[in-house]
Amino acid sequence: QKEVEQDPGPLSVPEGAIVSLNCTYSNSAFQYFMWYRQYSRKGPELLMYTYSSGNKEDGRFTAQVDKSSKYISLFIRDSQPSDSATYLCAMSEPGANNLFFGTGTRLTVIP
Amino acid sequence: DGGITQSPKYLFRKEGQNVTLSCEQNLNHDAMYWYRQDPGQGLRLIYYSQIVNDFQKGDIAEGYSVSREKKESFPLTVTSAQKNPTAFYLCASSIYLGGTGAGANVLTFGAGSRLTVL
Repeated sequence: QKEVEQDPGPLSVPEGAIVSLNCTYSNSAFQYFMWYRQYSRKGPELLMYTYSSGNKEDGRFTAQVDKSSKYISLFIRDSQPSDSATYLCAMSEPGANNLFFGTGTRLTVIP
Repeated sequence: DGGITQSPKYLFRKEGQNVTLSCEQNLNHDAMYWYRQDPGQGLRLIYYSQIVNDFQKGDIAEGYSVSREKKESFPLTVTSAQKNPTAFYLCASSIYLGGTGAGANVLTFGAGSRLTVL
């Protein structure tokens, strides 16, 4: 079993839709959770960073962590064609040198 | 602007050749990383370095080598021993957020280098 599981998609939604992207994980020691956005042929860029459980909002983006279920989500409200990208979740234990990444979900927002 | 510069962006190699991918950062980050990205497999760690003149193997270090002679630079050599080198290679550096031994490394990535073996 992989440490981090993420549905690869692809996921297609109409412009303006609410998008839900999810990851599950097996290591209960993970405390730090991140979402990266990667445009085609580019490096990933950090979108959201959260610690432990709870919600964090930044503009149209909301990151949610449910440690009891070992499940994290990224919600995108009022999705735009510019949101079309691959979204990678990542997580780590406190003090760890490395992150564990999901395989990424490819999202397309159709105008 | 602060960031990570990877070069070349595209590289073609014949079988049996070694190639070196460059990675330079001006973010003053201590830690640097090399990842390999293949379709459907996510990011896999090749090597990482926490300080100058020190580096550790990641999950898939076989067939790769690195050096860290300067804080700003972390080049990756893909040797002829790497059996399937065609991939997208990503360099990253990190800032450590949180308390000693209890925080997390938040990575900043370069734009990547795509290596194709002919």
